[in-house]
Amino acid sequence: NAGVTQTPKFQVLKTGQSMTLQCAQDMNHEYMSWYRQDPGMGLRLIHYSVGAGITDQGEVPNGYNVSRSTTEDFPLRLLSAAPSQTSVYFCASSYRADTGELFFGEGSRLTVL
Amino acid sequence: GENVEQHPSTLSVQEGDSAVIKCTYSDSASNYFPWYKQELGKRPQLIIDIRSNVGEKKDQRIAVTLNKTAKHFSLHITETQPEDSAVYFCAADYGQNFVFGPGTRLSVLP
Repeated sequence: NAGVTQTPKFQVLKTGQSMTLQCAQDMNHEYMSWYRQDPGMGLRLIHYSVGAGITDQGEVPNGYNVSRSTTEDFPLRLLSAAPSQTSVYFCASSYRADTGELFFGEGSRLTVL
Repeated sequence: GENVEQHPSTLSVQEGDSAVIKCTYSDSASNYFPWYKQELGKRPQLIIDIRSNVGEKKDQRIAVTLNKTAKHFSLHITETQPEDSAVYFCAADYGQNFVFGPGTRLSVLP
């Protein structure tokens, strides 16, 4: 099993550009989520999904879109990148939404100039 | 609102000493409290967790205690080693998602 796979690992964008961070898991997990990690602020939830076709907003959803057309994939789209979106992004999945180990991807470091 | 506080933000201990990190949560309905360890440049990984029907759980040098009445839980690391140096995050479940604390950077000095 590959676990949770995120791409790309590094990306530099200019303000206003759009891009998609890809996330795939091969563990048949129903729950998938995206976090951003900024110094001193821990892991903040952007969007999450409890199953295919279902998505919901987390703590910091503005400027991001998600979709969950399959159980395996949960892409995160930046619509119009801003410098405030410079961060490290982690995708994570779990067998259950409320109780269960979160398996994280390796992270994607995004810089917006 | 959904909130998890974590203290201290940084902690330095001598090798062999114990380390304690404390977290508080705001929702009395939370039932699951995991702890994650993140080494520099790596992804967070689960090291131990506890559920609300248990007051304490131990795994070798790591233990977690939970006080549901006071809404706080703690991570205890005994006989610390240099490889314990990392950032530790506590978390609590809030229904359909997890809220993380801001993290504690633990440095174990040789």
